[in-house]
Parts: sequence; structure tokens; C-alpha cells
Amino acid sequence: AQKITQTQPGMFVQEKEAVTLDCTYDTSDPSYGLFWYKQPSSGEMIFLIYQGSYDQQNATEGRYSLNFQKARKSANLVISASQLGDSAMYFCAMREGLTNQGGKLIFGQGTELSVKP
Amino acid sequence: EAGVVQSPRYKIIEKKQPVAFWCNPISGHNTLYWYRQNLGQGPELLIRYENEEAVDDSQLPKDRFSAERLKGVDSTLKIQPAELGDSAVYLCASSLGLAETQYFGPGTRLLVL
Repeated sequence: AQKITQTQPGMFVQEKEAVTLDCTYDTSDPSYGLFWYKQPSSGEMIFLIYQGSYDQQNATEGRYSLNFQKARKSANLVISASQLGDSAMYFCAMREGLTNQGGKLIFGQGTELSVKP
Repeated sequence: EAGVVQSPRYKIIEKKQPVAFWCNPISGHNTLYWYRQNLGQGPELLIRYENEEAVDDSQLPKDRFSAERLKGVDSTLKIQPAELGDSAVYLCASSLGLAETQYFGPGTRLLVL
């Protein structure tokens, strides 16, 4: 079974508008972390934002916020005021608890975001 | 602060040839990871190091892949011999520790002909 599911292969957004990228996850571990990374065409994975399973508040980093709904097992990324430079692949990833599998990131398939001028 | 450095950035080889990738992690990061990213997919872990010790290599195809991290800093990943299916991007990442955020390098794009 897929542990991380990103159902949107591609998304378009108009410059300066907000966009939500979907991510659902599956784990039975009570301790886990959720990450979003951005991968531009240059190939580097750029860390954007992190949410811990015990965090009470949704994470925010500048224009990025994470809409964490624990009961629904979703961790959607919201990008506000989109910019042309936001065009890239976006990956949702999960790190399960600190067992012998701890530290390993499990990635989704990614969503390709295109920002239109 | 310098990020994770990888070289080469691109490599084209013929099948059955050997190839090696090099990674220099962020200074002070004890944990180092090698991931492979196939076209259109998310990265998948190959091996994880805690200092010099490989603590998770369950996904590393050991018949042809090998890795080392001498002195707990730089790391090399080797494929010998390469197969057509090894064409992918090989990403190195590092973190302060097991529970810390992983920071990635630019990757090495390998094409096996």
C-alpha cells in the first residue's frame, strides 16, 4: 500500500494566487514527521516545511503553510501569493518513528506546479 | 554555510562499465543518505550512514552497488557493473541526526547506454 499519496500529477495556478497541493499518508506509528520538498528543473530537493505528528498548530514558513488534518491523515501544502519561481515539482514525504526504520523518508509521486503569468 | 556537494553532476556511461558518485555533506552532519530517483518518481533510500557506520542498507542492491563513508564525512557510491535500469538521479542528503531535517545535494544524473 502507498504510504504517501499525491493525487495531483500536475497543477496550474495564476501568479499571485494561492494554491493547495494535496498529500495523504498512511501509518500506524503514532510518532511521525511530514515534510514538503520543492524540486526545480535543476534537480536539487529544497526543504520547505515540516510538521510533527504531535504538533498542535499547523506549520508555517513564509508563504508556505501546511494544512495538517491528523484524523484524515492529510498534510496539504498551501502556497500563498504564487510566484513564477514556484514552478517546480513538489514532493510530500513522511518519516516514521525512530525505530530501525527511523530517518528514512518515504516520498510521494510528486505534483508538478506551473505558475502562469 | 555550504550545502551538500555532489559530483559529478552528470555522467553518461555504457552498460557494464563502473561508475562512482561522490558526496560531501553539510559540515557537522553525522547522518548521510543516498537516494535514487527514477524518472517521474519520488526518491527512494538506498543507504543511510550514522558517522562511518551503514545502519540501513536494506534497499541497496549489493550485487552491484557499494558505498563507503571513510572518516564519517565524505561518501562514495559505486555501481559495478552498471545496467540500463540504473539510469536515474542519485541524490545525497545529510542531517544533524536521525530525527533532524534532511538537506539534499543537487544530485548526479546517470545515463547508462
